Amino acid sequence: NAGVTQTPKFRVLKTGQSMTLLCAQDMNHEYMYWYRQDPGMGLRLIHYSVGEGTTAKGEVPDGYNVSRLKKQNFLLGLESAAPSQTSVYFCASIMGGGATNTGELFFGEGSRLTVL
Amino acid sequence: GEDVEQSLFLSVREGDSSVINCTYTDSSSTYLYWYKQEPGAGLQLLTYIFSNMDMKQDQRLTVLLNKKDKHLSLRIADTQTGDSAIYFCAESTGFKTIFGAGTRLFVKA
Repeated sequence: NAGVTQTPKFRVLKTGQSMTLLCAQDMNHEYMYWYRQDPGMGLRLIHYSVGEGTTAKGEVPDGYNVSRLKKQNFLLGLESAAPSQTSVYFCASIMGGGATNTGELFFGEGSRLTVL
Repeated sequence: GEDVEQSLFLSVREGDSSVINCTYTDSSSTYLYWYKQEPGAGLQLLTYIFSNMDMKQDQRLTVLLNKKDKHLSLRIADTQTGDSAIYFCAESTGFKTIFGAGTRLFVKA
């Protein structure tokens, strides 16, 4: 099992450009999440999905869009990148509901995005 | 809204115990977690505690939960240089997990 895989791992964009981050998980997890990590601010939730075809806003959704067309994939899009979106982005997944589920998040290795 | 707070830095000498503290706001959290992040990597679950427990011990790790004060702590006994990392406190509320800002642990040899 590869777990949670994020691509690309590094990207440099110019202000106004668009891009998509791809997250893929092979654990058949129901829930998937996109977080951003900034120094001194921990992880902040951007968007999440509780199942194929569903998405919901997190704490800091502005400037981002997401799609979950397939259960194993969760895409994060930036339509018009801004310098404030320079960050490290993490995708994570959780198995889903059930009495034995402890809610442990499984993380990808991160995608470092710089917007100039 | 939900909030998780923890101090940003802790420095200890190798062999000493480390104690990282955290406060949270959502009393309905079912689980509380400690995640570890090593440089250039994603977060990995270190340990967790169910909300109806006061203490959990796992080898060198001891988690204490004070529900009345909404206070969670992580004690690492005999801290090693390999324990140098960022430690995140987190609480689970429904579908979402809320993280603190992370405590960077420095271990001096």
